[in-house]
Amino acid sequence: EAGVTQFPSHSVIEKGQTVTLRCDPISGHDNLYWYRRVMGKEIKFLLHFVKESKQDESGMPNNRFLAERTGGTYSTLKVQPAELEDSGVYFCASSHPGQGYSLIPGELFFGEGSRLTVL
Amino acid sequence: GENVEQHPSTLSVQEGDSAVIKCTYSDSASNYFPWYKQELGKGPQLIIDIRSNVGEKKDQRIAVTLNKTAKHFSLHITETQPEDSAVYFCANPGASGGSYIPTFGRGTSLIVHP
Repeated sequence: EAGVTQFPSHSVIEKGQTVTLRCDPISGHDNLYWYRRVMGKEIKFLLHFVKESKQDESGMPNNRFLAERTGGTYSTLKVQPAELEDSGVYFCASSHPGQGYSLIPGELFFGEGSRLTVL
Repeated sequence: GENVEQHPSTLSVQEGDSAVIKCTYSDSASNYFPWYKQELGKGPQLIIDIRSNVGEKKDQRIAVTLNKTAKHFSLHITETQPEDSAVYFCANPGASGGSYIPTFGRGTSLIVHP
């Protein structure tokens, strides 16, 4: 079974440019999450999709970030225009819907991340 | 999601020693407690988790213990090996129902010296 894949693995852009990151979750996983880790800090939640719907986007830093999940399959995260503080590693993760009637949370499967460097 | 406090931020041990990482939380309704390991250049990977109906769970050299009264859960690694060197994250506990948004602590960088 293929894991979560992310593209590109590394992107170097100049301030003011645009970058689009892509995530392909594990097939059949309704939940898709985006996270960001800045060096030495916590893995910070950005947003959560359930299928094609944005369930929670409370972690998105500002309106320069736009996430989409077309048809409930792959997802993209666009940063436009990029700023220096956007640098970091962007992780995507997917998971099954909650298990059982009580919706006990389960394992998140992470991709290897997309490292973004804004100069 | 709620924040979690994770300690220590770095941990250096000799091969063969034990390592313990602790995570504290605040929501008494929590019932799911996961630990993730992130190796260099890779994404975090779940290594062990525990539900609130048990106090301890073991999987070979790793174990997780839960103290619901004190609201903390800990990762224990025994007989550490160099390949255990990585960053370990606890995630905020989840509760039944609703939408679970895992949020992670700052991580613990474990270094195992040969």
